[in-house]
Amino acid sequence: SAVISQKPSRDICQRGTSLTIQCQVDSQVTMMFWYRQQPGQSLTLIATANQGSEATYESGFVIDKFPISRPNLTFSTLTVSNMSPEDSSIYLCSVVVTYTDTQYFGPGTRLTVL
Amino acid sequence: KQEVTQIPAALSVPEGENLVLNCSFTDSAIYNLQWFRQDPGKGLTSLLLIQSSQREQTSGRLNASLDKSSGRSTLYIAASQPGDSATYLCAFSSSNTGKLIFGQGTTLQVKP
Repeated sequence: SAVISQKPSRDICQRGTSLTIQCQVDSQVTMMFWYRQQPGQSLTLIATANQGSEATYESGFVIDKFPISRPNLTFSTLTVSNMSPEDSSIYLCSVVVTYTDTQYFGPGTRLTVL
Repeated sequence: KQEVTQIPAALSVPEGENLVLNCSFTDSAIYNLQWFRQDPGKGLTSLLLIQSSQREQTSGRLNASLDKSSGRSTLYIAASQPGDSATYLCAFSSSNTGKLIFGQGTTLQVKP
C-alpha cells in the first residue's frame, strides 16, 4: 500500500490567483496522476506526472492552466493557474505502487474560488 | 468514447441486507478494474482490484466480479452495516498506463 499526503487540504482563493498543491508519497511508485472531482461529479484525469519531464495531459487540460512538476519518484506538484470559480473542485493525487497495479489516492485538496 | 455506467445512482437499505452494485463499461479491451469507496469530503479508498485475467476478487464481506464479454462488474456487499454508507466508485483501465476511467458512483446508505 501507500500513504499519500496532500497540502493544503483545503483553500479559498480569489479569482485570478494561482495555487500550488503538493503530493508526497511514502513508497516507491511507478506512476503518479492528478485528478479533478467537480462538485457532485466523478473523477476526471488531468494528467500523468512524469519524473523529470513534462507531464502528459488529457484532452481538455493544458500545461499553461495546470503546470505539473515531478522532480523525484515520490513528490509532485499541481498548480491551478489564473483561477476562476469554475476551478472550484477537489484535486486528488494518485499513485501506482511499484510491482502492483493498485492505484491509491491522496485525501484530496478542496479548492474554492471566489 | 470510453464510458463507465453505475446503477443504481443511490441505494438505501436496512442494516443486514446483502446488496449488489452494478458497473458497466464500454471497452472490452480492459486491463483491470478497480472498486473504490469515497466517504463525504474524503479521498478514495481502494477496495478491490480485478485483473483482466481474473473473474472475481474477495475481501472480507466484499466480492467483486468481472465479466469482460458483457462489459460488466458487480460489487457484492454481504450483511451490510451502517459503516458501509459511502459512495462506491467503479473505474477501469484499458492499458498498463494506469489511467482510470471512472463511473459516477453509487451512493449507499445503510440504515440502522
